[in-house]
Amino acid sequence: DAGVIQSPRHEVTEMGQEVTLRCKLISGHNSLFWYRQTMMRGLELLIYFNNNVPIDDSGMPEDRFSAKMPNASFSTLKIQPSEPRDSAVYFCARTWGAGGNTIYFGEGSWLTVV
Amino acid sequence: DQQVKQNSPSLSVQEGRISILNCDYTNSMFDYFLWYKKYPAEGPTFLISISSIKDKNEDGRFTVFLNKSAKHLSLHIVPSQPGDSAVYFCAASAYQGGSEKLVFGKGTKLTVNP
Repeated sequence: DAGVIQSPRHEVTEMGQEVTLRCKLISGHNSLFWYRQTMMRGLELLIYFNNNVPIDDSGMPEDRFSAKMPNASFSTLKIQPSEPRDSAVYFCARTWGAGGNTIYFGEGSWLTVV
Repeated sequence: DQQVKQNSPSLSVQEGRISILNCDYTNSMFDYFLWYKKYPAEGPTFLISISSIKDKNEDGRFTVFLNKSAKHLSLHIVPSQPGDSAVYFCAASAYQGGSEKLVFGKGTKLTVNP
């Protein structure tokens, strides 16, 4: 059990709509990551937080994407407005414990933008 | 610029035989390497890792080999079982911006035939 709960698990939305993906951490963390998986690009790091502070958002595709971590156990990834090319699986993940090298993933949020 | 490359998108082996999954990297700053396994509709799960100070790490049927001079690592699964059928991601880690940052390859889909 990775201790990472993502919602929604599946979302289908129309182009132009706002999408908010949520991530809840059951236990603590060192860092929190948002990844996106597509067939073409594999697993891409979008952004990561360390102690709730965004450290590197260079992977965020464009200004339509934003992420927040208001407290140590919750984060959101927002896409506004959404486009069909945003269709992908979005994973939230955390590192935890000594060393902090190993990332534990949630089960993902499957987004389809039509 | 793909820093972690898995050049074989798929691999098919017979049950009981050895599966060898390969991974190449370009960034000499990477100091920790991991393999993740992913089943459909699930998040990636950590499988095995190796530090750059070692050249081999073994865990049951899974062994990871690291050749730093060639910037190459491989995952050996012996003997392969049908339940090993999944997508395997290679990942490399470097300490950047105050945190360990993982970079993933695009994955290799392993099919183990009964």
